Amino acid sequence: DAGVTQSPTHLIKTRGQHVTLRCSPISGHKSVSWYQQVLGQGPQFIFQYYEKEERGRGNFPDRFSARQFPNYSSELNVNALLLGDSALYLCASSLGGRGSTDTQYFGPGTRLTVL
Amino acid sequence: KQEVTQIPAALSVPEGENLVLNCSFTDSAIYNLQWFRQDPGKGLTSLLLIQSSQREQTSGRLNASLDKSSGRSTLYIAASQPGDSATYLCAAPVPGSNYKLTFGKGTLLTVNP
Repeated sequence: DAGVTQSPTHLIKTRGQHVTLRCSPISGHKSVSWYQQVLGQGPQFIFQYYEKEERGRGNFPDRFSARQFPNYSSELNVNALLLGDSALYLCASSLGGRGSTDTQYFGPGTRLTVL
Repeated sequence: KQEVTQIPAALSVPEGENLVLNCSFTDSAIYNLQWFRQDPGKGLTSLLLIQSSQREQTSGRLNASLDKSSGRSTLYIAASQPGDSATYLCAAPVPGSNYKLTFGKGTLLTVNP
């Protein structure tokens, strides 16, 4: 079975541009979460979507937005890119239940560099 | 708010040694705690999830424990191998949530042949 897939693998943008990152969850998973990991730090929670609805949002500016499609894949959009947005963006999928056994499985990430 | 701390930040051991990685969290009202492995420039691989009702979880040479009352978890790696070299991250959800994970900065483990 395929794991979580993300595209593109790497991306280089300039300040002020817009970027769209994509994620496909594990088959059968209905929840997708997005995390940002800057070098030397642990990942930070950005969003979670479940059944196409936003379930949670982290402490990120409105330049960050996301959506989930009927097939449960997801996009993360970042507008007006800043140098500080350079990071590894990770997508995680899970079944989406609210119990204590809902394990999150991460994709390989998209490396975004903003020049 | 949940805060997660991992000690040590880096650890270097000879092959074959048993080792313990430490994780502490500030708010013990958690559903579970997860341990992950991250190879350089790669995504995270889920190693173990311990439910709040459990005290231990084992997978192969890995054993994770959870003590909610003290706000601590440990990851024990037996008979370490060079292939275990990676950054190990623990993550605790924000209380009331099972999905909004707060991560520590990780422990960089190097196992020398």
